[in-house]
Amino acid sequence: EAGVAQSPRYKIIEKRQSVAFWCNPISGHATLYWYQQILGQGPKLLIQFQNNGVVDDSQLPKDRFSAERLKGVDSTLKIQPAKLEDSAVYLCASSLGGAVNEKLFFGSGTQLSVL
Amino acid sequence: AQSVTQPDIHITVSEGASLELRCNYSYGATPYLFWYVQSPGQGLQLLLKYFSGDTLVQGIKGFEAEFKRSQSSFNLRKPSVHWSDAAEYFCAVILTGGGNKLTFGTGTQLKVEL
Repeated sequence: EAGVAQSPRYKIIEKRQSVAFWCNPISGHATLYWYQQILGQGPKLLIQFQNNGVVDDSQLPKDRFSAERLKGVDSTLKIQPAKLEDSAVYLCASSLGGAVNEKLFFGSGTQLSVL
Repeated sequence: AQSVTQPDIHITVSEGASLELRCNYSYGATPYLFWYVQSPGQGLQLLLKYFSGDTLVQGIKGFEAEFKRSQSSFNLRKPSVHWSDAAEYFCAVILTGGGNKLTFGTGTQLKVEL
């Protein structure tokens, strides 16, 4: 079974530039999550989708971050403009549903460096 | 403040030695409890979880964890560590009524000496 696919694997940009990350969840998984993992910290949930609707985006910095999940499958996360503090690994995860007992499957992440 | 605490940032053990990684939580009600492992260049993988029932939980790769309500702890253990266990370990919680939203601790980096 294919896992959660993310691209690119690495990205280096200068501050104030824009960047986009892509995630393809496991086939059939209705719930998709984007996490931000800053060096030395645990992952922090940015946004959760159920199909193509947003369930939780309370920790998404909406002035610069945006995410969409068109057609309830693939998702993109965008940062515009990027700041130095956005340097982190961006993890995508998916699960069959959004219930508490649903197992999350994580991708390998996109490592972003903002210079 | 509500939090998940992993007091040990780094731990080094010898191969074959026993391992215990600490996790404490600070919430009004007992949350759902998880341990994840993250190897370099790989995604997070669920080791085990505790929702209710038996307080000693068995997971994959020979890991187990014990929930102690009186201590608000959910420590991860392994009787004999293998070199391949070197990775970062995260304790995580889901609050009751919090859907499937994981809140992670800061992680413990495990180094295994041969």
